[in-house]
Order: sequence, then C-alpha cells, then structure tokens
Amino acid sequence: SYELTQPPSVSVSPGQTARITCSGDALPKKYAYWYQQKPGQAPVVVRYKDSERPSGIPERFSGSSSGTTVTLTISGVQAEDEADYYCQSIDSSGLYVFFGGGTKLTVL
Amino acid sequence: QVQLVQSGAEVKKPGASVKVSCEASGYTFSNYHMHWVRQTPGQGLEWMGIINPSDGSTDCAQKFQGRITMTRDTSSSTVYLELTSLRSEDTALYYCARDRDAGTTASRSFDFWGQGTLVTVSS
Repeated sequence: SYELTQPPSVSVSPGQTARITCSGDALPKKYAYWYQQKPGQAPVVVRYKDSERPSGIPERFSGSSSGTTVTLTISGVQAEDEADYYCQSIDSSGLYVFFGGGTKLTVL
Repeated sequence: QVQLVQSGAEVKKPGASVKVSCEASGYTFSNYHMHWVRQTPGQGLEWMGIINPSDGSTDCAQKFQGRITMTRDTSSSTVYLELTSLRSEDTALYYCARDRDAGTTASRSFDFWGQGTLVTVSS
C-alpha cells in the first residue's frame, strides 16, 4: 500500500514561516493537494496540484515540489492557521487516493 | 452555492450495516464524481471510494472491497454509502466530498465536503 509521510507536528511563533513536508514515491509524477482541518470542521483545500492556490485562500499559503517531497509553506503564520494539515495524492496506478497522516500546526 | 448535506448520526451493532446519504445542490449533479472519506476519532483521513453520478460506476479502496456499496439517485441528486459487516474499528466520521474536476475523468482531489456523518459501532 502506498504511503505519504508527514511530520506529526510543527510549531512556530506568530509571524514566522511554517513548512510542512509530505513525502511519497509517486509524487514526482502525481500531483499533491493540501487540506486544512480545524477542530469540528470538514477539511478545506488550501493548495491544488502542488502549487496552485484556490480562490479565497490567503496568499501566505504556498506550495512547492522537489523530487519525492512536496512542501506546504505558510508565511507570516497567524493564530487562525493553527490546524491539522493533510497532504493527499494518488498512487502510481492513478486509481487510489491516499492521505498523509496529518501534521498538527501549533502557533505558539 | 455548492452544498453537500449528509444524513444524521447512526449507532449500529457489530455485524450490522449502515447506509449514509449525501444530498448535493448548487451544481449539476451528474457532472462531478463524488468521493467518500472517513476519519476515525482523533485520527487522520482515509479514502474509501468514488462514484460517477453520471453512470453509477464506482471504484473503492482495496481495504473496503466486498464491504462497501456506493449508489446514486439522480432524481434527488443524492449519493449513498453502504458499509456492511460493521466492526468497532469502523466507528468514524464519514464524509462525502465532491471531486474538484467536472467531466468523465476525476482528478481524485476534493473541493467541497459534506458536514460529516458520525457512525458509532458498539455492542
């Protein structure tokens, strides 16, 4: 079974930059997507196709890709960004969807 | 505006089945694939499967093959998830989520989510 690996937690102070990584063998050939989930709420997409930003998502959310790792970068972190973040992609067959284990972002 | 409204919470005994519904509005129902994703308490997200509302074709994660049925009713713009042979590990919040791309080929990513349906499996 395919795996996407994320760090369990990332902590930053307000105004700093948070970087959340996601590693997977198929990522060089398959897009990654990022979702933000706050307690008691459904996930919300914050990045499409590695680096596209959906409408309504602040510009401080950016994405990049290098080899088997994709990175979600949140610049100038705000308290409201505290949430769980999940990467999502598909395996090499293109049929099956996988999520990373999630990263809890704590704003100190 | 796009809305996905799911049915209410369920409590089931081990070995039973559960059927969850997801009613879509605000867009052309047949144009977008729909997914089912679940989240166990305090845990991460797990993709269960996808249905094409246009023709009813489905695909699911290998883990759920043989236990999952996804159907749709185009007259009411509703998709359904049925999970059989429930066990305690199936206790989770079940979400429907719309595929981001319209058309015959799903992107297998999600733009709109339902509010979630809590299914509790307990004897």
